[in-house]
Amino acid sequence: QKEVEQNSGPLSVPEGAIASLNCTYSDRGSQSFFWYRQYSGKSPELIMFIYSNGDKEDGRFTAQLNKASQYVSLLIRDSQPSDSATYLCAQNTGFQKLVFGTGTRLLVSP
Amino acid sequence: KAGVTQTPRYLIKTRGQQVTLSCSPISGHRSVSWYQQTPGQGLQFLFEYFSETQRNKGNFPGRFSGRQFSNSRSEMNVSTLELGDSALYLCASSSTGEGNQPQHFGDGTRLSIL
Repeated sequence: QKEVEQNSGPLSVPEGAIASLNCTYSDRGSQSFFWYRQYSGKSPELIMFIYSNGDKEDGRFTAQLNKASQYVSLLIRDSQPSDSATYLCAQNTGFQKLVFGTGTRLLVSP
Repeated sequence: KAGVTQTPRYLIKTRGQQVTLSCSPISGHRSVSWYQQTPGQGLQFLFEYFSETQRNKGNFPGRFSGRQFSNSRSEMNVSTLELGDSALYLCASSSTGEGNQPQHFGDGTRLSIL
């Protein structure tokens, strides 16, 4: 069973802090990973994707992939209350089949 | 550029009925995937279509089926509806259907079974 695991949270951080969201995976066969943000009652919105070992930065977001440890993370710098949402980690396991983690709920307090 | 469009947004059905959901991908996208989201099971993959061919299928019963048309629009059908089929059904599209292409989701169809 190919699995993607996330801590369900909630992860609470004050406004302006760095939020660190983590994800582990069991399937070494595919190395395409995606982070989605989902507000309550809305559909998932793509935030970042990463395929190579190391870091990838886009604005306030940094995705990190460590293939040796089978670990993916998302850092959100200067967190804002509008970042409060559920963050979903997903792995593409072949032919566009995304396996999702259960999501981490992030709460950013003013 | 228009996003992924799903219709209808909301549906209410009774047990035993069947339902058809529609998805229009982003213009130029040829891969369409379908997912079911429930509070208990999270987001689960149903199937994926590329150039009118189903390339991948998740662990759902045969009551769940789909198809893709030559213009890349896709439909999914659920027959003999059960209470447990109540969920948000999401469609996502990607450009080439290769594994490193990100998928973009539509707003979903919320299906309620009475």
